[in-house]
Amino acid sequence: DGGITQSPKYLFRKEGQNVTLSCEQNLNHDAMYWYRQDPGQGLRLIYYSQIVNDFQKGDIAEGYSVSREKKESFPLTVTSAQKNPTAFYLCASSIIGLADYNEQFFGPGTRLTVL
Amino acid sequence: DQQVKQNSPSLSVQEGRISILNCDYTNSMFDYFLWYKKYPAEGPTFLISISSIKDKNEDGRFTVFLNKSAKHLSLHIVPSQPGDSAVYFCAAGPYSSASKIIFGSGTRLSIRP
Repeated sequence: DGGITQSPKYLFRKEGQNVTLSCEQNLNHDAMYWYRQDPGQGLRLIYYSQIVNDFQKGDIAEGYSVSREKKESFPLTVTSAQKNPTAFYLCASSIIGLADYNEQFFGPGTRLTVL
Repeated sequence: DQQVKQNSPSLSVQEGRISILNCDYTNSMFDYFLWYKKYPAEGPTFLISISSIKDKNEDGRFTVFLNKSAKHLSLHIVPSQPGDSAVYFCAAGPYSSASKIIFGSGTRLSIRP
């Protein structure tokens, strides 16, 4: 089955610790994205990558870092510099085309809680 | 400043009736509009879209209407079914640029028997 997996589903961390959220896709998509969702707000783009070894900041990149060493994987690290890290994190992927909009496929999400 | 707004956080509709979900946007440069559906513990899934050159797009029980002058779009579900109970996200942005898509805050639709 093709799709996007995110692990873990629930994550707890102590304040001041870095934590890495996993995102893997086997859809052979070039582009991958990380979003954050907070109560009463829409999905906000943290980082995205259109090609291996390259990524761009989204609207709320401060306090986060990513890597894209493989096409299938786009891990997100929430650093201790992120002021309000408790949120629901969604990873997505899409093909890249010039002619048509390419829908994004989302993973099930990781809920991060900072204690 | 929210560029895409869904002002109704929740909506309850009787099974078999029409569900109408609304969305407003502020950026007149947006030319592509989408609806995503999300069940609990799952990621959002693409439902239907419309480009700015159209004012209506239909796919089975789902129809999206776009009113560019009012910067408003709506999703109609007819007839509503129990499986339609979910959170619906409206999204808007430039065509062919998923990284620029802005999502609304979502409307939770509940279909009651």
